[in-house]
Amino acid sequence: DAGVIQSPRHEVTEMGQEVTLRCKPISGHNSLFWYRQTMMRGLELLIYFNNNVPIDDSGMPEDRFSAKMPNASFSTLKIQPSEPRDSAVYFCASSPDRNQPQHFGDGTRLSIL
Amino acid sequence: KNQVEQSPQSLIILEGKNCTLQCNYTVSPFSNLRWYKQDTGRGPVSLTIMTFSENTKSNGRYTATLDADTKQSSLHITASQLSDSASYICVVNRGSTLGRLYFGRGTQLTVWP
Repeated sequence: DAGVIQSPRHEVTEMGQEVTLRCKPISGHNSLFWYRQTMMRGLELLIYFNNNVPIDDSGMPEDRFSAKMPNASFSTLKIQPSEPRDSAVYFCASSPDRNQPQHFGDGTRLSIL
Repeated sequence: KNQVEQSPQSLIILEGKNCTLQCNYTVSPFSNLRWYKQDTGRGPVSLTIMTFSENTKSNGRYTATLDADTKQSSLHITASQLSDSASYICVVNRGSTLGRLYFGRGTQLTVWP
């Protein structure tokens, strides 16, 4: 079985540019999570979807961040405009439901110059 | 305030030795506690998930314990291997319909030959 697939694996862009991160969850998983990981703050939950509906977006840092899940097999996390402090590794994870172990993708390493 | 504290921050042990990682939490109400292993450059991988009624759970050489009264958990690694070198993250799920996940900063374990 394919795991959670994230793209791109690496992204380097200049500040002010729009950045779109993509995630394909494991088929059949109803819950999808976006995380950000930095050395300073560790792993932080940004947003959680259940059955394609955003349930908890209290971790989204500010209005520059937005996430969508148009269908059960695809989600995006968008940053517009990007800033250097957004540099981090962004993980997507999915699980059959919120109380089951999550399966993480290998992340997108984002660098904003 | 809901928090998860892990100790030690980093640990170096020799191959074949045992070690124990600690996790203390103040998250309430409690739903479950998870331990994840994160290899460098990869996403976290679930090791165990424990609910309120579970005191011990094993996954191969990994054994997690939970004391819900003192709000403490430990992860014991037996007969360590070089491949155990990773960051180990403790995550506590707050119990409610919209329960949130609270993350520790992780313990960085290095196993030397």
